[in-house]
Amino acid sequence: DAKTTQPNSMESNEEEPVHLPCNHSTISGTDYIHWYRQLPSQGPEYVIHGLTSNVNNRMASLAIAEDRKSSTLILHRATLRDAAVYYCILRMYGGSQGNLIFGKGTKLSVKP
Amino acid sequence: NAGVMQNPRHLVRRRGQEARLRCSPMKGHSHVYWYRQLPEEGLKFMVYLQKENIIDESGMPKERFSAEFPKEGPSILRIQQVVRGDSAAYFCASSHGTAATNEKLFFGSGTQLSVL
Repeated sequence: DAKTTQPNSMESNEEEPVHLPCNHSTISGTDYIHWYRQLPSQGPEYVIHGLTSNVNNRMASLAIAEDRKSSTLILHRATLRDAAVYYCILRMYGGSQGNLIFGKGTKLSVKP
Repeated sequence: NAGVMQNPRHLVRRRGQEARLRCSPMKGHSHVYWYRQLPEEGLKFMVYLQKENIIDESGMPKERFSAEFPKEGPSILRIQQVVRGDSAAYFCASSHGTAATNEKLFFGSGTQLSVL
């Protein structure tokens, strides 16, 4: 799986939008962009994934650059419960390996 | 539909003892993954299993560690002769399919292993 680069940490105020960036300049055409998050003392949980088009679900939105070399996870209104480490992961569609390769992620702090 | 169940939630062992960590995947899932997370570090892949088969064990230490996923029952991660460096959170995840189908992984709450 190709490598991703994320800021080590970010801060946000409660009820404000949060934009979490991810760079993946070596992404290949068959790589999907996945986001997971890990709340304190919990296992990771799936947030969203996409290939080329922007994606929305009940948790977040994913904005993917036209050249696919970067993406942004958008939390529309941060809550204290969104404080977590957010991982951006590339996963090759059709690959033989099922596992996800986690980097260091971005630790998001949310201030009341 | 219950999520991925891991037990025990906390496990304390003395050096030299054996540790057995159990993972019951989500109903209908036949793919199981084990990850280890050392304090203040990211998750490291250990092993990927399908029913009765080890598909990828590239992240498993060469000695003392083994994993199985029998036809019936939970997946087991076994650590023999534990040492203090084995102290970590061990997470299990399951999926219905593989990367070939772009399936997402569902994680359990983990087992915190403490070696005294």
